[in-house]
Amino acid sequence: IQLTQSPSSLSASVGDRVTITCRASQDIKKFLAWYQQRPGKAPKLLISSASTLQSGVSSRFSGSGSGTDFTLTIGSLQPEDFATYYCQQVNGFPYTFGQGTKLDIK
Amino acid sequence: QVQLQESGPGLVKPSETLSLTCTVSGDSMRTYYWSWIRQPPGKALELIGYISYSGRTNYNPSLKSRVTISVDTSNSQFSLTVKSVVAADTGMYFCARDDTVGYFDSWGQGLLVTVSS
Repeated sequence: IQLTQSPSSLSASVGDRVTITCRASQDIKKFLAWYQQRPGKAPKLLISSASTLQSGVSSRFSGSGSGTDFTLTIGSLQPEDFATYYCQQVNGFPYTFGQGTKLDIK
Repeated sequence: QVQLQESGPGLVKPSETLSLTCTVSGDSMRTYYWSWIRQPPGKALELIGYISYSGRTNYNPSLKSRVTISVDTSNSQFSLTVKSVVAADTGMYFCARDDTVGYFDSWGQGLLVTVSS
């Protein structure tokens, strides 16, 4: 199952609200996760099942969607949010990741 | 809180075998799956495969012919071997905990493996 993220990169300012999109090549119901990866670090699970926020993750992050179209929204960007974000599907094995969206400071 | 730590050589020669180990601490290995994920430089993440506590494995078909994942529950470790490596196997190798649905909720810090003579 192919996942296509858009945009591939995004420049934004502290305080902005941003949305990242992930499109699946087939219906994956709600079996989608979002991860944040800071440079030189391991990815961190933010959201599972398309919209379930992980414990300890800021409520600035929210996820939505089902089927083939999903979004990750970050409200009021903070400096620590500038990172690369990946979506991942777990509807079919092998689990696959999107190509990533790099969010940097404008 | 569970912690994972990768170990192994950072440099492997082409055609040789890459062997890595992940040590799990802070929680039992039962009830989870244990995965290896890699990331070529500047590229996206790729699942290599996973193993259960009982030793059941599932491998990405793209790598299945060259990959073995094993588990040593007595030492809270699981391992990865990749045979006949080539330059395209260069990248960061992460071990991670799979909640059995497929979501990776804990990760090791990663280990950079370079395939070069």
